[in-house]
Amino acid sequence: DSGVTQTPKHLITATGQRVTLRCSPRSGDLSVYWYQQSLDQGLQFLIQYYNGEERAKGNILERFSAQQFPDLHSELNLSSLELGDSALYFCASSVGGERGYTFGSGTRLTVV
Amino acid sequence: GNSVTQMEGPVTLSEEAFLTINCTYTATGYPSLFWYVQYPGEGLQLLLKATKADDKGSNKGFEATYRKETTSFHLEKGSVQVSDSAVYFCALRAQGQGGKLIFGQGTELSVKP
Repeated sequence: DSGVTQTPKHLITATGQRVTLRCSPRSGDLSVYWYQQSLDQGLQFLIQYYNGEERAKGNILERFSAQQFPDLHSELNLSSLELGDSALYFCASSVGGERGYTFGSGTRLTVV
Repeated sequence: GNSVTQMEGPVTLSEEAFLTINCTYTATGYPSLFWYVQYPGEGLQLLLKATKADDKGSNKGFEATYRKETTSFHLEKGSVQVSDSAVYFCALRAQGQGGKLIFGQGTELSVKP
């Protein structure tokens, strides 16, 4: 157990729907990062939050949004889902500074 | 822009063989460099890192040296085991980019007994 908890582990939904992915960071970590892993794009950075504030944005679609709550857990909201959104979505956390991340085990999203 | 290029997989080796997975990068300034490993059905785990030129990161028999002159961070292990079968990702964190990591495409390693 890495200490980063992601729920749900698997999600199957239809095109056009909206889903919410949840991430609880490792205790003491203030930064949360979201990544998308797909066969064609590899691992792509989506967004980073630090202590409740958006810190950096990557290749995140306008249909996607995220937030980090006062208890530091984070949610990634994906709306108007398309088949191409099917991927593994990883959350990672870090305490900040020049350190590596701790990754969660991911949420596998399948859009049908 | 910043990028990471890894050798394509899959790489298939026999147990106790020598492993090299090539990784080169493009980045301005002095990025930090990382190797992550992903076992089937799991998230990525930090394997090793190096934060400045000529640093050598090492862990579990794996090592990689940050070579600024060749912009490389090749992963090596002297004797692989079946349990090393996984996907390996090289990544960089550029200066001034916060904590964002840029990953290579990953290299799948399969070790046969």
